[in-house]
Amino acid sequence: EVQLLQSGGGSVQPGGSLRLSCAASGFTFSSFAMAWVRQAPGKGLECVSMISVSGASTYYADSVKGRFTMSRDNSKNSVYVQMNSLRAEDTAVYYCAKVFNTGQVSLGFDIWGQGTMVTVSS
Amino acid sequence: EIVMTQSPATLSVSPGERASLSCRASQSISTNLAWYQQKPGQAPRLLIYDASTRATGIPARFSGSGSGTEFTLTITSLQSEDFGLYYCQQFSNWPPWTFGQGTKVEIK
Repeated sequence: EVQLLQSGGGSVQPGGSLRLSCAASGFTFSSFAMAWVRQAPGKGLECVSMISVSGASTYYADSVKGRFTMSRDNSKNSVYVQMNSLRAEDTAVYYCAKVFNTGQVSLGFDIWGQGTMVTVSS
Repeated sequence: EIVMTQSPATLSVSPGERASLSCRASQSISTNLAWYQQKPGQAPRLLIYDASTRATGIPARFSGSGSGTEFTLTITSLQSEDFGLYYCQQFSNWPPWTFGQGTKVEIK
């Protein structure tokens, strides 16, 4: 079965850190770029980071740049996001997602993790 | 950053009727657009990519159209399972791949 299984998350005080993990199965993980998408309570979707197939290139939304670090381990079929200097506005459900592409053209996120809640509050 | 604007915010539709959802990009994105459906407590599901191609397993009552800056998702003969939130997302320009704010399709 094709799936992404997330772990990590929870509650943390402002300024704290958390690490989210996402384990892939059922597809050739090392052939696809991956992303993290978040959704604040009652709000829309925000794509916060993306990582290339090899992991050599990462991209971040301005809202998390300098605070979040995305990485991947193709030997473990896993992707991660290290979140530092967390703020109240980072409170959200975080989803990992597989990038669907043809060649070099990205077309959508076709596989999503189940989501994990991150709450930043004092 | 490319801004995606969806309208209307809420669409009230009776089962069996047709629904048309609009998505507008702040600059041309060719056909680099995807549509997603999200139900409460669930992750989004990819419906349409490349503006008009249905993803695997998506029923034919879902169709997408448009290019440049104007896009439409049409759901013909709405079924009970089609009610929920719908988002468009551009894949033309990173950073980042921006989403619209969503359209809620509710039962009339």
